Amino acid sequence: KNQVEQSPQSLIILEGKNCTLQCNYTVSPFSNLRWYKQDTGRGPVSLTIMTFSENTKSNGRYTATLDADTKQSSLHITASQLSDSASYICVVSAGNRDDKIIFGKGTRLHILP
Amino acid sequence: DAMVIQNPRYQVTQFGKPVTLSCSQTLNHNVMYWYQQKSSQAPKLLFHYYDKDFNNEADTPDNFQSRRPNTSFCFLDIRSPGLGDAAMYLCATSSDRALNQPQHFGDGTRLSIL
Repeated sequence: KNQVEQSPQSLIILEGKNCTLQCNYTVSPFSNLRWYKQDTGRGPVSLTIMTFSENTKSNGRYTATLDADTKQSSLHITASQLSDSASYICVVSAGNRDDKIIFGKGTRLHILP
Repeated sequence: DAMVIQNPRYQVTQFGKPVTLSCSQTLNHNVMYWYQQKSSQAPKLLFHYYDKDFNNEADTPDNFQSRRPNTSFCFLDIRSPGLGDAAMYLCATSSDRALNQPQHFGDGTRLSIL
């Protein structure tokens, strides 16, 4: 069964600190993995997209890694800011054109001043 | 310069009273999606259009229907809303159904059922 599991479910850190969010998936055949940021009451916004051949991708203070062998991805946030408080959703696409997009439940990140 | 626009942002309806949510896009994307997202849960795909080709998910209730009169607009119709249909409804677009294309989401419509 295609699944995307994210951990932790929620995380609280102080402003300025770094953090890493985890995503494990059992999706086959793998097409790509995306990280989205979803602010409260807003739609998700794409941060990164990685295909099978990519093992790291950065977007400002956000760096995503992908290990296709272990089917794990992480999202590292450097020097966190209050505006980073949001849900971070890992999304894995399976197969080709007509196949599935599987969403994780997200990690809720709270940045404290 | 919003690219995927959902109206209204908040919608309240009565139990059993039909309601329509709308989505428009300025990206000229071929694919439009409707998702249902309940609190602390992942978005759940209801259906998507590839151009005019309608694709329904197997577990989408018959109570939910959709219309896409042209490239720019897509509507979600809930014929007889129940209390369990209270959720955030997200519209998204992508340039192609090929799964390496990013999805662009609107800010959603939060539906409440009285």
